[in-house]
Amino acid sequence: SYELTQPPSVSVSPGQTARITCSGDALPKQYAYWYQQKPGQAPVLVIYKDTKRPSGIPERFSGSSSGTTVTLTISGVQAEDEADYYCQSTDSSGTRVFGRGTKLTVL
Amino acid sequence: EVQLVQSGAEMTKPGESLKISCKGSAYIFANYWIGWVRQMPGKGLEWMGIIYPGDSDTRYSPSFQGQVTISADKSINTAYLQWSSLKASDTAMYYCARSLGVDYELDSWGQGTLVTVAS
Repeated sequence: SYELTQPPSVSVSPGQTARITCSGDALPKQYAYWYQQKPGQAPVLVIYKDTKRPSGIPERFSGSSSGTTVTLTISGVQAEDEADYYCQSTDSSGTRVFGRGTKLTVL
Repeated sequence: EVQLVQSGAEMTKPGESLKISCKGSAYIFANYWIGWVRQMPGKGLEWMGIIYPGDSDTRYSPSFQGQVTISADKSINTAYLQWSSLKASDTAMYYCARSLGVDYELDSWGQGTLVTVAS
C-alpha cells in the first residue's frame, strides 16, 4: 500500500525555522495537505494543495514541493506551534493516505 | 461558521453494534463530502472512507472496507459511521471532516467521538 514518510520528530528553539518533510512516490502527481493536531484537539488544516494557506492560518506556515518530497516550513516558531503535524495525499486509486505524523517540539 | 458536531462518547462491549453521527451546519450539507478518520490511542490519523450526502456515493479505504458502514441523511444534515460487531481493537477517537471533493482538503473537522470497546 502507498506510504507517506515523515520524520517522527523535529525539535527547534523559539524563533528558529522548523522544516517537516513528507515523501511519497505519487507526490509529483498528487497534491499534499498538512494538518496540525494539538493534544486533545481535532486536527486543523494548515496547508492545502502543496502551498496554499487557509484563511486564519498565520503567515509563518508555508508549504513547498520538489519531486517526491513536500515540506511544511514554520518560520519564527512559537511555543504554540508545538503539535503533531500530518501530511496527507492520495494514492493512485484515489484513496487518501496520511503520513505517520511528526511531533514538533519547541525547546 | 461551518460546524461539524459529533455525537458523544460511547462505551460498549465486544460484539455489540454502534452508530455514531456527525451533523453539519452553516453550509449546504449535500454539496460537500464527509470523511471519517480513526485515531487509535497514542497513534496517528488513519483514513477510513468518505461519502457524498447528495447522492450517497461512498468510497472506503481498503483497510476499512467491510469493517464499517458509512451513510448519510441529507434531510437532517447528518453523516454516520457504524459497526455491526465491535472489537476491542475498534477503541479509538473517530473524527468526521468536510471536503469539497474526493481529492480536496479536509477543511473543517468535528470534535471527535471517543469509542471504547471493553468487556
